[in-house]
Amino acid sequence: DAGVTQSPTHLIKTRGQQVTLRCSPKSGHDTVSWYQQALGQGPQFIFQYYEEEERQRGNFPDRFSGHQFPNYSSELNVNALLLGDSALYLCASSLVSGDSYEQYFGPGTRLTVT
Amino acid sequence: EDKVVQSPLSLVVHEGDTVTLNCSYEVTNFRSLLWYKQEKKAPTFLFMLTSSGIEKKSGRLSSILDKKELFSILNITATQTGDSAVYLCAVRFSGTYKYIFGTGTRLKVLA
Repeated sequence: DAGVTQSPTHLIKTRGQQVTLRCSPKSGHDTVSWYQQALGQGPQFIFQYYEEEERQRGNFPDRFSGHQFPNYSSELNVNALLLGDSALYLCASSLVSGDSYEQYFGPGTRLTVT
Repeated sequence: EDKVVQSPLSLVVHEGDTVTLNCSYEVTNFRSLLWYKQEKKAPTFLFMLTSSGIEKKSGRLSSILDKKELFSILNITATQTGDSAVYLCAVRFSGTYKYIFGTGTRLKVLA
């Protein structure tokens, strides 16, 4: 049973550039959440996708956008990169049914902006 | 604003010791709490606690939830060097799908 996968593993970009990160959820999961984790901090919620729609968004600017495909995989796009966008980007997959749900993380993409 | 606070920030123990990690939250209308272990990269799921499941145990790890006092603890008995990691807790409240994470407790277990 494949777990959550993310690509690429590492990425180095220059300020002002754009980046796309990819995530495939765990088999049987239909919901993908994206988190940003800065060094020494807990993950911060960016947004969640369900049924190809952004269901909820955290406190991130519009430069952060996403997409979910019919096979439940997802992309995170960041435009006009800033130095402060350097972080570990984590994708979490879940099956949201009922009142509570577990979420499982992928290995993450380490983004460095220079 | 909803907030999750973990303590201590870091902890150094010797193999065989028992540790207790704390997670308190100021969240209205609590729904669920997750515990994770993070070593190099991705957080690994440990437990989910809810109103209907306030106590969980797996091997040397156990966790309880006190909904009245708004906190959870994670206990690790007979610690091993492989338990060295950052332990994260995350809380979700009613009316939202997002989990709010604490900053984590960094545990180091010495041989």
